Amino acid sequence: GNSVTQMEGPVTLSEEAFLTINCTYTATGYPSLFWYVQYPGEGLQLLLKATKADDKGSNKGFEATYRKETTSFHLEKGSVQVSDSAVYFCALEYSSASKIIFGSGTRLSIRP
Amino acid sequence: EAGVVQSPRYKIIEKKQPVAFWCNPISGHNTLYWYRQNLGQGPELLIRYENEEAVDDSQLPKDRFSAERLKGVDSTLKIQPAELGDSAVYLCASSHGYRGPDTEAFFGQGTRLTVV
Repeated sequence: GNSVTQMEGPVTLSEEAFLTINCTYTATGYPSLFWYVQYPGEGLQLLLKATKADDKGSNKGFEATYRKETTSFHLEKGSVQVSDSAVYFCALEYSSASKIIFGSGTRLSIRP
Repeated sequence: EAGVVQSPRYKIIEKKQPVAFWCNPISGHNTLYWYRQNLGQGPELLIRYENEEAVDDSQLPKDRFSAERLKGVDSTLKIQPAELGDSAVYLCASSHGYRGPDTEAFFGQGTRLTVV
């Protein structure tokens, strides 16, 4: 079946460090891929998305590239800030199914 | 514009008691979702509505869970009777019916249910 596997947390980094959160997926066909973020006390928000192979999604300094050959969608940011502390979820969706399948989430903590 | 509104934010009940959660989606969104998020896990879909019709309820435990979306706007999710394993965050989300590449699902803050 369709599934998403992401890096287990928690991940703790110092401010201005480079961030990578790994995400791989198992799916038939060509799903859309997403990263959602959940800040403390808030609801899930879409961070970025990519709808086809080789697309790069980007937002707020975060990037992720849809890699069909490795079935991956790793999240990266060149210089993290304390305000990036949150839980990050990788997800996939087939638009025809309108059902989002989430990974288990990765908690990120950034030290000043 | 207001986002997806859920209430209550928190609920503590004893096992075997009933509980209900309410969701008001974003105005104009005809697709509504209920997800359950267990501690340390990602959300899992319980039910999806297109207007007032439940089009995917395959993951809804129908022996104790029920949902309704009268008039295709607000929705209520009910558990009766609640069990200890139902403790989780219940998330509501909404989106435009046409899920093209430029649309997205918007999530509410969730209701955290604790069954004791």
